[in-house]
Amino acid sequence: EVKLQQSGDELVRPGASVKISCKASGYTFTNYAMYWVKQSPGQGLEWIGTIIPLIDTTSYNQKFKGKATLTADKSSNTAYMELSRLTSEDSAVYYCARARGTGVMDAWGQGASVTVSS
Amino acid sequence: DIQMTQSPASLSASLGETVTIECRASEDIYNGLAWYQQKPGKSPQLLIYNANSLHTGVPSRFSGSGSGTQYSLKINSLQSEDVASYFCQQYYNYPLTFGSGTKLEIK
Repeated sequence: EVKLQQSGDELVRPGASVKISCKASGYTFTNYAMYWVKQSPGQGLEWIGTIIPLIDTTSYNQKFKGKATLTADKSSNTAYMELSRLTSEDSAVYYCARARGTGVMDAWGQGASVTVSS
Repeated sequence: DIQMTQSPASLSASLGETVTIECRASEDIYNGLAWYQQKPGKSPQLLIYNANSLHTGVPSRFSGSGSGTQYSLKINSLQSEDVASYFCQQYYNYPLTFGSGTKLEIK
């Protein structure tokens, strides 16, 4: 069974950073790209970026360049997204999702809620 | 960026009815369109890709159609478990973009 297990919900202070993990199981990690998606009430679903673990290549939505940094650890089948200089606009649920590279996301993590508040 | 305009924003229908959700792209996306279902409190799940291909395990009452800039998702014989929000997503070009969603309720 394909599973993407994300880290837990986070409450963080404005200006801080947060790192969310996404541990993959049930498939060959390097055969798929990992996508990250933001869901917020005001903005709906937004694609943040993609990492291809096999070749450690990333691509970002211009809107999230400088905000999100994607990495992957092939030894533990885990993808990470770090969000920096957090503001209230970053409060949202963040999902990881796997895809073959076409952008069709056929398995999703359970989501990690990030709340930015002092 | 390709804009995806989805309608209606909400929909109420009776059990057993057929419902249709529309998605319009701001330019031709050459069938590079997926539909996702998101049940309350859950993550999105893939229903349809390539505009009309049913993802593995998805009931056959779901179907997708369209071409060019106009696409639709049809749900036949509405069931109670179909209560969810539905999103379209284009993957013809980056950045990937989503429709704003349709919330489906049972009347």
